[in-house]
Amino acid sequence: DAGITQSPRYKITETGRQVTLMCHQTWSHSYMFWYRQDLGHGLRLIYYSAAADITDKGEVPDGYVVSRSKTENFPLTLESATRSQTSVYFCASSPRGLKETQYFGPGTRLLVL
Amino acid sequence: AQSVTQLDSQVPVFEEAPVELRCNYSSSVSVYLFWYVQYPNQGLQLLLKYLSGSTLVESINGFEAEFNKSQTSFHLRKPSVHISDTAEYFCAVSSGNTPLVFGKGTRLSVIA
Repeated sequence: DAGITQSPRYKITETGRQVTLMCHQTWSHSYMFWYRQDLGHGLRLIYYSAAADITDKGEVPDGYVVSRSKTENFPLTLESATRSQTSVYFCASSPRGLKETQYFGPGTRLLVL
Repeated sequence: AQSVTQLDSQVPVFEEAPVELRCNYSSSVSVYLFWYVQYPNQGLQLLLKYLSGSTLVESINGFEAEFNKSQTSFHLRKPSVHISDTAEYFCAVSSGNTPLVFGKGTRLSVIA
């Protein structure tokens, strides 16, 4: 199906392990974003990308790494997971610019034990 | 940096009653304003947006929001809510060359 997908949808891991969350979009949108959603904080931007091989930090980038070798994929890696990274992670994409509508994936629920 | 304040974290309302969800943003020369809705266990989806032109914008399901520059507000309203409007609503702002900044959300609960 066309659209934006995230995998896995649910993940349980342990402190110190590396975890990669995948995001894939079929629209060839230029911009892609990673957010985390936590109770009381709303959505906070982790990283975003304007095009392949161009990434930039958001509000809460520490402990996360991103890459974008292909336009359609934007993986998010937690290099050494911590309990504070337990959250729901959303990927989003938009066609051209930062004032465009963003289209969100269904989310990945991550629990770090 | 831009900031967004959603004044109410939770709003309970009876079915068929009117509702207003409040949103204020920090001032900027020009802003682009959005309301997104999140239904349970789903991602966010755009409800409506203001980019320019008419200060009153409407969605296809009866919501409307008015851009008020003097009060730096973008409140969301609906004259008669339905059970299916139960969701979390997020206000967001961008100045065009910076990423969207989201408010903390307002949980709307419609009571039968």
